[in-house]
Amino acid sequence: AQKVTQAQTEISVVEKEDVTLDCVYETRDTTYYLFWYKQPPSGELVFLIRRNSFDEQNEISGRYSWNFQKSTSSFNFTITASQVVDSAVYFCALSDYIQGGSEKLVFGKGTKLTVNP
Amino acid sequence: ETGVTQTPRHLVMGMTNKKSLKCEQHLGHNAMYWYKQSAKKPLELMFVYNFKEQTENNSVPSRFSPECPNSSHLFLHLHTLQPEDSALYLCASSQYQGDQPQHFGDGTRLSIL
Repeated sequence: AQKVTQAQTEISVVEKEDVTLDCVYETRDTTYYLFWYKQPPSGELVFLIRRNSFDEQNEISGRYSWNFQKSTSSFNFTITASQVVDSAVYFCALSDYIQGGSEKLVFGKGTKLTVNP
Repeated sequence: ETGVTQTPRHLVMGMTNKKSLKCEQHLGHNAMYWYKQSAKKPLELMFVYNFKEQTENNSVPSRFSPECPNSSHLFLHLHTLQPEDSALYLCASSQYQGDQPQHFGDGTRLSIL
């Protein structure tokens, strides 16, 4: 069965520090997608990135970067020079296809990041 | 205007009440989802609708009844809920191609008295 593990429940850093959020997944599928979502206190889940299982290139978007390593089934997320606005709960998710072509997301429990000024 | 709108934002109801949660998406997507987010638990998928047809019911109790009249609207009808049903209920939508990301609404915070 699909499973996503985010071992870090809470992380607290001081502004401008770099922080890495870990994500380890389990799947028997050869084709799958990995996602990161951000959930600020307002509650909405904000999509950050989607990564295809065949594409192991790391990705950088501004202060955000993602390290996908199939060999260790990990998809870690790094925030460089963190800011107070980065404070949120971050979820890693794995796609699981269901009948009809739509996608079911299996989420980790989330990592609560607090960035202190 | 956000792409996925959920109403109400907050709902308090007794165990014998009947209420409905509403979700509307303005993104032209054709798949819609209900998720439940309880404290200290991963987000749990409840229902999936694809082109208005229900394609997934993740063993959800019958006191939760979804309705999808068209691709833009999704409802969750609630009846005789239990205190453990108190949670944040999130609606999402996506395009009908499994690799497209789901876009979420702000959620409805439900409290059962």
